[in-house]
Amino acid sequence: GAGVSQSPRYKVAKRGQDVALRCDPISGHVSLFWYQQALGQGPEFLTYFQNEAQLDKSGLPSDRFFAERPEGSVSTLKIQRTQQEDSAVYLCASSPRTENYGYTFGSGTRLTVV
Amino acid sequence: RKEVEQDPGPFNVPEGATVAFNCTYSNSASQSFFWYRQDCRKEPKLLMSVYSSGNEDGRFTAQLNRASQYISLLIRDSKLSDSATYLCAPWVVGAGSYQLTFGKGTKLSVIP
Repeated sequence: GAGVSQSPRYKVAKRGQDVALRCDPISGHVSLFWYQQALGQGPEFLTYFQNEAQLDKSGLPSDRFFAERPEGSVSTLKIQRTQQEDSAVYLCASSPRTENYGYTFGSGTRLTVV
Repeated sequence: RKEVEQDPGPFNVPEGATVAFNCTYSNSASQSFFWYRQDCRKEPKLLMSVYSSGNEDGRFTAQLNRASQYISLLIRDSKLSDSATYLCAPWVVGAGSYQLTFGKGTKLSVIP
């Protein structure tokens, strides 16, 4: 596609519910990041994929968060047993290269846990 | 000390003014640097990349000072459309670490 696509655009979840957020990176992009952005804050790193390999998951806040990219293209961020503090915008970004290069962000998924 | 620090602002400047933002980073292993702009309730968009001492693109100039570990962004002849939050992001690759780390951003409002 022309850009990074994320779905759903908005998600309201009841506390304790599991959610899955999808990211379709730009076709052929090797690198993929997930970020979490709370209101008034900068994006906080969650995890990084190079093709299908998850090379850095040091930013995932707890074992309730899980990300995968099984075929090196589409990625899913799953949050189990959602809590109110999980409410944020979840941003996905991709890049055609593995080394230092600017990343293109998707529009994000705004998650609200009630 | 936080990894990336930015003055949150807001910077309120008149149209046509020159404004500069600084960003300091703590990880000396940072290899390259990026400035992103983020409009309200939108995703960050890449503004400039800085790989060596600096970069210039039209009205925008980014400078890097590795010795002092800071990056600056200068905007000349400010336009109303420049109003946004500007995020600084060093890129670090280390053992098991691949991170583009963002500051909290500096808010700019250009007023008529």
